[in-house]
Amino acid sequence: AQKVTQAQTEISVVEKEDVTLDCVYETRDTTYYLFWYKQPPSGELVFLIRRNSFDEQNEISGRYSWNFQKSTSSFNFTITASQVVDSAVYFCALRLGTGGFKTIFGAGTRLFVKA
Amino acid sequence: DTAVSQTPKYLVTQMGNDKSIKCEQNLGHDTMYWYKQDSKKFLKIMFSYNNKELIINETVPNRFSPKSPDKAHLNLHINSLELGDSAVYFCASSQARNYGYTFGSGTRLTVV
Repeated sequence: AQKVTQAQTEISVVEKEDVTLDCVYETRDTTYYLFWYKQPPSGELVFLIRRNSFDEQNEISGRYSWNFQKSTSSFNFTITASQVVDSAVYFCALRLGTGGFKTIFGAGTRLFVKA
Repeated sequence: DTAVSQTPKYLVTQMGNDKSIKCEQNLGHDTMYWYKQDSKKFLKIMFSYNNKELIINETVPNRFSPKSPDKAHLNLHINSLELGDSAVYFCASSQARNYGYTFGSGTRLTVV
């Protein structure tokens, strides 16, 4: 069975702190894709990043970085020097390489960044 | 230009009514989806169409019926609305399996 676990329900930090959002996934497929999405208080869902199972290279985009480790089935997301605008619910998601285009979402981590 | 547009943004209706939510994308994507987000923010896929063909049909009551007249449109019709149908419904599209979704802004459905 495929599953995405975001064990942190809520995280609260003070501005400028670094914060890591954890994501652990389960699948027996060898080909799969991992994603992170952001849902700010306004409610829209915004795509942040995609990783395929054959590419374990970490990625950095400004203050955002992602650490993909197949050995631990994890795809963690770090925000460096957090800002109030980073306050949102963040979803990790898994899509398999077969069986349609279904994407399974984790339950989300709500991040509060206080000024 | 709006990439994925859903209408209406808000929908308040009485139990037992029938309602539709429309979705259109101008990105040229081949695949469109409907997701339901409940009050706890959990996102669950309902349907997916690829080039007008239904490819994902999760365990959804048959009161929910998707319709895709062309690959740029995916509408959701709900019959005999129930209180438990209250949620935010998101339409999304993607170009291929390995691409992320572009989501619409959501439709908040409230059944009273």
